[in-house]
Amino acid sequence: AQSVTQLGSHVSVSEGALVLLRCNYSSSVPPYLFWYVQYPNQGLQLLLKYTSAATLVKGINGFEAEFKKSETSFHLTKPSAHMSDAAEYFCAVSVVGDAGNMLTFGGGTRLMVKP
Amino acid sequence: EAGVTQFPSHSVIEKGQTVTLRCDPISGHDNLYWYRRVMGKEIKFLLHFVKESKQDESGMPNNRFLAERTGGTYSTLKVQPAELEDSGVYFCASSQDRTGVLPTDTQYFGPGTRLTVL
Repeated sequence: AQSVTQLGSHVSVSEGALVLLRCNYSSSVPPYLFWYVQYPNQGLQLLLKYTSAATLVKGINGFEAEFKKSETSFHLTKPSAHMSDAAEYFCAVSVVGDAGNMLTFGGGTRLMVKP
Repeated sequence: EAGVTQFPSHSVIEKGQTVTLRCDPISGHDNLYWYRRVMGKEIKFLLHFVKESKQDESGMPNNRFLAERTGGTYSTLKVQPAELEDSGVYFCASSQDRTGVLPTDTQYFGPGTRLTVL
């Protein structure tokens, strides 16, 4: 079975500062990894996904994530935070399996951006 | 293109009552998923439909939960009778892959239904 750990349920950064949201996974088979964002009163929106084509994945809104197999990590970064980035972020993993492609989520990280 | 929609957005019921949640997936998406987030915890998978068939229902907590997807379009999730621990946000998602087993297939989520059981 696979699992995801997001370090830090709350992260606070200043506007213009680097955003780093941590995600570590556990999987016995090659994983596929996703970052989703949830803005208030909205559904989860896909930011980016790792599908084994390239280890550095660029997503929407200036976010990117790097798959590091040796560290079992898929941390999300953005060089400069904007006030509109304040939201909750979820890391998720999916694997090949006969039962389908359910997503297994981490606990979520709420990002706060200070002016 | 309309996204995934869910109804109602909020539901407050008393313990022992019945509630039915509805999800309309993106048109043409064969895969439909239900997930739940109990307060303070991670989002957890409940079940997965491919068209009208249940592909995986390993996440359903118990037999008080019944999901249907007649005709392979919208889906309903009924909780009967509701218990206090059923409170949380219920998310529906849909995806396009017709095989239902492609792990890289993007799942598009609805805004969720917040269920409160008193």
